[in-house]
Amino acid sequence: EAGVAQSPRYKIIEKRQSVAFWCNPISGHATLYWYQQILGQGPKLLIQFQNNGVVDDSQLPKDRFSAERLKGVDSTLKIQPAKLEDSAVYLCASSLSRLTGTGYEQYFGPGTRLTVT
Amino acid sequence: GIQVEQSPPDLILQEGANSTLRCNFSDSVNNLQWFHQNPWGQLINLFYIPSGTKQNGRLSATTVATERYSLLYISSSQTTDSGVYFCAVVIAPYSGAGSYQLTFGKGTKLSVIP
Repeated sequence: EAGVAQSPRYKIIEKRQSVAFWCNPISGHATLYWYQQILGQGPKLLIQFQNNGVVDDSQLPKDRFSAERLKGVDSTLKIQPAKLEDSAVYLCASSLSRLTGTGYEQYFGPGTRLTVT
Repeated sequence: GIQVEQSPPDLILQEGANSTLRCNFSDSVNNLQWFHQNPWGQLINLFYIPSGTKQNGRLSATTVATERYSLLYISSSQTTDSGVYFCAVVIAPYSGAGSYQLTFGKGTKLSVIP
């Protein structure tokens, strides 16, 4: 079974530029998450999708971050314009979201390391 | 919100030694996961363990939900065990719909030296 795929793996941009990240979850996983991990900290949720609807975006800086999950599969996360403090690893995760067994176990992709200069 | 505390923050082991990592959480949880973040940044699932004990090779984990802690045991450590170990928890929404965000601790950085 293929894992969560993300691209690009690395990105360097200047402040005020825009950037987009792509995520393809594990096949059949209804729930998709984007997390931000700043160096030395644990990941923090930015947005959660259930199929193609947003469940939780309370921690997403909506003035500069946007995300979409068209057709309930792939997702893109965009930053525009980027700030220095956006330098971090952006992780995508997915889960089955069934109420039994390990349905809510989350699986993470390799991440995109963003450097804003 | 829920607080997740991990200890120790740093740990240096000689290859072959055993260790115990601890995770304390401040509220009842529906999901608890242990991850290993390798030096390349990949988060690898170790255990999904909201309660009870599980074992996988040299690793085992125990969660005592009533006392709000979980332990990760690493036996006969190897250099490939180096990295950061994260504990993460979820409080599921009562209705079944809503946020299932994982709240992470700050991690334990493990260095295994030959």
